[in-house]
Amino acid sequence: QIQLVQSGTEVKKPGASVKVSCKTSGYSFTGYGVNWVRQAPGQGLEWMGWISGYNRNTKYAENFQGRVTLTADTSTSTAYMELRSLRSDDTAVYYCVRGGGSFYSKRNFDSWGQGTLVTVSS
Amino acid sequence: EIVLTQSPGTLSLSPGERATLSCRASQTFSSNYLAWFQQKPGQAPRLLIYAASARDSDIPDRFIGSGSGTDFTLTISRLEPEDFAVYYCQQYGSSPLTFGGGTRVEIK
Repeated sequence: QIQLVQSGTEVKKPGASVKVSCKTSGYSFTGYGVNWVRQAPGQGLEWMGWISGYNRNTKYAENFQGRVTLTADTSTSTAYMELRSLRSDDTAVYYCVRGGGSFYSKRNFDSWGQGTLVTVSS
Repeated sequence: EIVLTQSPGTLSLSPGERATLSCRASQTFSSNYLAWFQQKPGQAPRLLIYAASARDSDIPDRFIGSGSGTDFTLTISRLEPEDFAVYYCQQYGSSPLTFGGGTRVEIK
């Protein structure tokens, strides 16, 4: 079955960086993209960006432009999200989510990782 | 950026009742690419509906998505105990992709 397994909880100080991994299995990594979504405590969902598993093209939400980098390793079917210059309001659960075959695909966001809690605190 | 407004914020209903959740977009987007997700405490969201009305795999037929243009609705025809949760709509037809603020369906 399709699985996205994320790395564990992180605690970081303001100004630091964090890199979250998302290891996928059960499907062809190069046939789909991976989205990243975050959820602050008690809040709603916020899309951060997308990376193609096929050609590693990326799209980023403007709110994160310049602070986030999405990468993918096709040899291990793993996607990564790095967020820099962390602030206290970056404290959130970060999810990787399988996309479709292209950025605008009819069926999208169908499988989610378990989430990674990133806490930013001095 | 397309803003999605969900209403009501909270819906208090009893098991067996019908739930009607609304999602209104600030402008139209491609192909009615509108999805609905269910989220329970401590869990990742789960895809229920995509492309406004297509039910995802293994989603019970009591979940019905409808609408087009800027007005979309998720109807749960008869609430089961496991349906009490928070529901989010999302548009994925225009970048940046955006989510609504959510509707909490709670037991009355």
